[in-house]
Amino acid sequence: AQSVTQPDIHITVSEGASLELRCNYSYGATPYLFWYVQSPGQGLQLLLKYFSGDTLVQGIKGFEAEFKRSQSSFNLRKPSVHWSDAAEYFCAVDWGTGFQKLVFGTGTRLLVSP
Amino acid sequence: DAGVIQSPRHEVTEMGQEVTLRCKPISGHDYLFWYRQTMMRGLELLIYFNNNVPIDDSGMPEDRFSAKMPNASFSTLKIQPSEPRDSAVYFCASSRDRGDSPLHFGNGTRLTVT
Repeated sequence: AQSVTQPDIHITVSEGASLELRCNYSYGATPYLFWYVQSPGQGLQLLLKYFSGDTLVQGIKGFEAEFKRSQSSFNLRKPSVHWSDAAEYFCAVDWGTGFQKLVFGTGTRLLVSP
Repeated sequence: DAGVIQSPRHEVTEMGQEVTLRCKPISGHDYLFWYRQTMMRGLELLIYFNNNVPIDDSGMPEDRFSAKMPNASFSTLKIQPSEPRDSAVYFCASSRDRGDSPLHFGNGTRLTVT
């Protein structure tokens, strides 16, 4: 079955430090790749997406992600984390439906220390 | 744009009772999704609709769960009878029929079955 893996359940980063959240997906048709963020008590908000073209994509709030087909990965990065970035982050994949039928990873909870 | 609206935000009910969750998608969106989020299983797709027609309900846990979309602006997810293991946050999401259209989530309904 198609699956999305986020190996880190929790990550703690100091404010101002860089961040990388990992995401790997199982092999399948050309994927559409997404990162969503969820703040407590809220729904999910789209950070960025990859459909085609440049494998480094820019998103909102200073986030970026890089698609590496050879590694089946789509890692999320931010050069300098702010306290307001503390939230849960979900990687999601659409295996070619084109209308957002997504399979989500289990999420990574980001904690930001002063 | 008011976003995807879900009601109620919180629902507490006793085992065996009927529960109805409601969703109003964003106007003009062709697809509507119901997701369930639990600590153990993460985000699971339960069912999705295209132009008010259920397309794939393979994620619905069992016959106690049913979903309807009587028109383009309203959908319900019903659980009858409810059980404690149904306790979760239920999200509704909608999107356009375009590959580059993001999925918009509501703020969810937190269901507690005692």
